[in-house]
Amino acid sequence: KAGVTQTPRYLIKTRGQQVTLSCSPISGHRSVSWYQQTPGQGLQFLFEYFSETQRNKGNFPGRFSGRQFSNSRSEMNVSTLELGDSALYLCASSPRIKALSYEQYFGPGTRLTVT
Amino acid sequence: QQPVQSPQAVILREGEDAVINCSSSKALYSVHWYRQKHGEAPVFLMILLKGGEQKGHDKISASFNEKKQQSSLYLTASQLSYSGTYFCGTEPSDNYGQNFVFGPGTRLSVLP
Repeated sequence: KAGVTQTPRYLIKTRGQQVTLSCSPISGHRSVSWYQQTPGQGLQFLFEYFSETQRNKGNFPGRFSGRQFSNSRSEMNVSTLELGDSALYLCASSPRIKALSYEQYFGPGTRLTVT
Repeated sequence: QQPVQSPQAVILREGEDAVINCSSSKALYSVHWYRQKHGEAPVFLMILLKGGEQKGHDKISASFNEKKQQSSLYLTASQLSYSGTYFCGTEPSDNYGQNFVFGPGTRLSVLP
């Protein structure tokens, strides 16, 4: 099976702009989660989607949003970019169906740099 | 609430053993362990569910003490390939399936 893919891999944006990142989960996985990873804050959970519905949300401002499509592909959007949004954004897919604990498979990430 | 990991970093010689601990202030439903090598994505190692089970494969195993709200990852006879940052992730018992939180990570370096 193909792994989780994320596009683009690298992105440079300017403060105030908005950005959309894309994630294609492993075939058959319906749960997609997004994480922000920075050297200072580590791996922080952004949100999780299952069957096009946001199931969980982390403690991030409303500038961070996401959605999931019927084919389980997911996008996350960050509006009005700030310098502090520079990070590696990781997407993870899981075979999780309900509130059961399943492993997550991470994509390679999108490295976002805000200047 | 983010779990606490200890130690923050450890340096080993090939063949030595290591233990990485993960503890939470909340009652836990599950503990996940992942390893991330520099410049790569985290890779799943194992999940432990409440019930105090111990799991493992090859020379990496883990235990979960539900009463103490702690999990430990054991790396036996470490290999160079074990180098990386190890993260535990936890799900609380009172709201399992939600509020999954990763710990800050433990950086493991295995030297020849």
